[in-house]
Amino acid sequence: DADVTQTPRNRITKTGKRIMLECSQTKGHDRMYWYRQDPGLGLRLIYYSFDVKDINKGEISDGYSVSRQAQAKFSLSLESAIPNQTALYFCATSELTGSSYNEQFFGPGTRLTVL
Amino acid sequence: AQKITQTQPGMFVQEKEAVTLDCTYDTSDPSYGLFWYKQPSSGEMIFLIYQGSYDQQNATEGRYSLNFQKARKSANLVISASQLGDSAMYFCAMREGLIQGAQKLVFGQGTRLTINP
Repeated sequence: DADVTQTPRNRITKTGKRIMLECSQTKGHDRMYWYRQDPGLGLRLIYYSFDVKDINKGEISDGYSVSRQAQAKFSLSLESAIPNQTALYFCATSELTGSSYNEQFFGPGTRLTVL
Repeated sequence: AQKITQTQPGMFVQEKEAVTLDCTYDTSDPSYGLFWYKQPSSGEMIFLIYQGSYDQQNATEGRYSLNFQKARKSANLVISASQLGDSAMYFCAMREGLIQGAQKLVFGQGTRLTINP
């Protein structure tokens, strides 16, 4: 089974609809992240969470909200979807260790289309 | 200011040749880490290699090596003996602050590598 899962994998919705993207992980990591990928722009950070009680805005948080329901679950919501939120969304996790190396593990991505 | 710059939008290489993907970065933090990820057409992000700013030697992982030139702020990925399966999008990313802090990744725009038979 995958360590980081995202649901749904694909979603088509209409302008103005509320939509939630969910992320679950079995890696036991404290830190979770939401990124979006647009063609030609690489990945950009939307929100990140150190633990259940600590949520922080990233580079492009406007129009998004998040919820960290448990250590293993981090959800991204679009309260009123708009077409320019059409993108590929990734959830990622990482572990705080005592070493300098700290890889982020990515989920498979959710492809969202807003019509 | 762009923190991570990948100047090659696309590259075409013959199978079995070596290929270098460029990455330059900008930071004033002496502690940082550099990552390369591969994204095949299926979309998932696959971690390839990591270089810490205090690492004395260039990182290597199988056919992947990182040509780290700290003074020039470059962290180029070298793939030796390229294979058809190497065709993908490649992203360079940087994390400022090694242990403490948010450990956020900042990504470059990516380079699309195509390996020709």
